[in-house]
Amino acid sequence: EAQVTQNPRYLITVTGKKLTVTCSQNMNHEYMSWYRQDPGLGLRQIYYSMNVEVTDKGDVPEGYKVSRKEKRNFPLILESPSPNQTSLYFCASSPTVNTEAFFGQGTRLTVV
Amino acid sequence: EDQVTQSPEALRLQEGESSSLNCSYTVSGLRGLFWYRQDPGKGPEFLFTLYSAGEEKEKERLKATLTKKESFLHITAPKPEDSATYLCAVQAWNYGQNFVFGPGTRLSVLP
Repeated sequence: EAQVTQNPRYLITVTGKKLTVTCSQNMNHEYMSWYRQDPGLGLRQIYYSMNVEVTDKGDVPEGYKVSRKEKRNFPLILESPSPNQTSLYFCASSPTVNTEAFFGQGTRLTVV
Repeated sequence: EDQVTQSPEALRLQEGESSSLNCSYTVSGLRGLFWYRQDPGKGPEFLFTLYSAGEEKEKERLKATLTKKESFLHITAPKPEDSATYLCAVQAWNYGQNFVFGPGTRLSVLP
């Protein structure tokens, strides 16, 4: 089954404790991206990747890192999480940059 | 400032009562406009892509249209299962490879 898989689905952590949210797709898509969704602000793009080893900032990249060492995986790294990074996070992949995106199930992160 | 807006913010319809949702954008050089449906607690699900003014796409009770400054999502004879938040997203040449999402329209269809 074609899908985008994020883990974990739920995470509660403390300020400053490094964490990684994994994202994997099985559709051989080139374009992958991370979004955060906050009430009243909608979906905002954090980082995106055009292909392996090619990443770039979206609209809200501060406090986040990504890597794309393999085509299927695109982890999101929070090196020193802060409470303002409490949010619902989505990973998405697309065949190419200007085509429909397939979204993961979401990761609800709480930083206390 | 480039932006994507959606109206109304929320819409309640009776089953069978047709209506339209609006997505307005102010960007230079539209590359594509996308419509998604999002159910509570789930990731957005793709509905349509429109690339140029005048283009229309249909799927079951939904029809999406595009002009130079806005897109409409027409819902004909909606059913309760159409209840969801509908999001539009824009990709433009001056955004690079970014996508910008609108805030969404929360649709409720009452039986």
